[in-house]
Amino acid sequence: TQLLEQSPQFLSIQEGENLTVYCNSSSVFSSLQWYRQEPGEGPVLLVTVVTGGEVKKLKRLTFQFGDARKDSSLHITAAQPGDTGLYLCAGSMKTSYDKVIFGPGTSLSVIP
Amino acid sequence: GAVVSQHPSRVICKSGTSVKIECRSLDFQATTMFWYRQFPKQSLMLMATSNEGSKATYEQGVEKDKFLINHASLTLSTLTVTSAHPEDSSFYICSAIRPIGTDTQYFGPGTRLTVL
Repeated sequence: TQLLEQSPQFLSIQEGENLTVYCNSSSVFSSLQWYRQEPGEGPVLLVTVVTGGEVKKLKRLTFQFGDARKDSSLHITAAQPGDTGLYLCAGSMKTSYDKVIFGPGTSLSVIP
Repeated sequence: GAVVSQHPSRVICKSGTSVKIECRSLDFQATTMFWYRQFPKQSLMLMATSNEGSKATYEQGVEKDKFLINHASLTLSTLTVTSAHPEDSSFYICSAIRPIGTDTQYFGPGTRLTVL
């Protein structure tokens, strides 16, 4: 059973278009992270959201944490080829081991 | 940001041999590190949680005698794949939690293991 769902799984868009990636769960998370991973490399942290309803902006990327802390979205404005990669959301569940659950990822391809 | 390194970045070995992968937190102390495995075009699968000074906690389905984890210091965790077989070929990634109040993990660059 996948605790975290991501949609869409694959996305191919033209440069300059906008897009939104969704991360959903039936579980409540103490925090949620978004990562971007390129082939053959480790994931790179983009943002951590902690408070329900929180919105964070990172240049052309806007991240939102749902009010109930069960879901999140990543919106990219005017996508560029450099945005191409695998976007992973990861939710932290407070356990004695600070375990983080990863979503299946959204593979984004931005065509010049 | 926090820096986590892995060594080696790529390794090719013969079936039946053992391979050790190192994970280091370079600019912070990490009491907890994690080891993940990732197959092509898939997400990260948590293998085990490595705690400094104690035994690792393995996820269901991960053989602890096959994947030996040692977290001997606050900046180093090692994963040893024992008696490797071709099906162990994968991308192995470690991460470390930086103790700054949130559960943010910082990832190493990964190690590509190929077992012939």
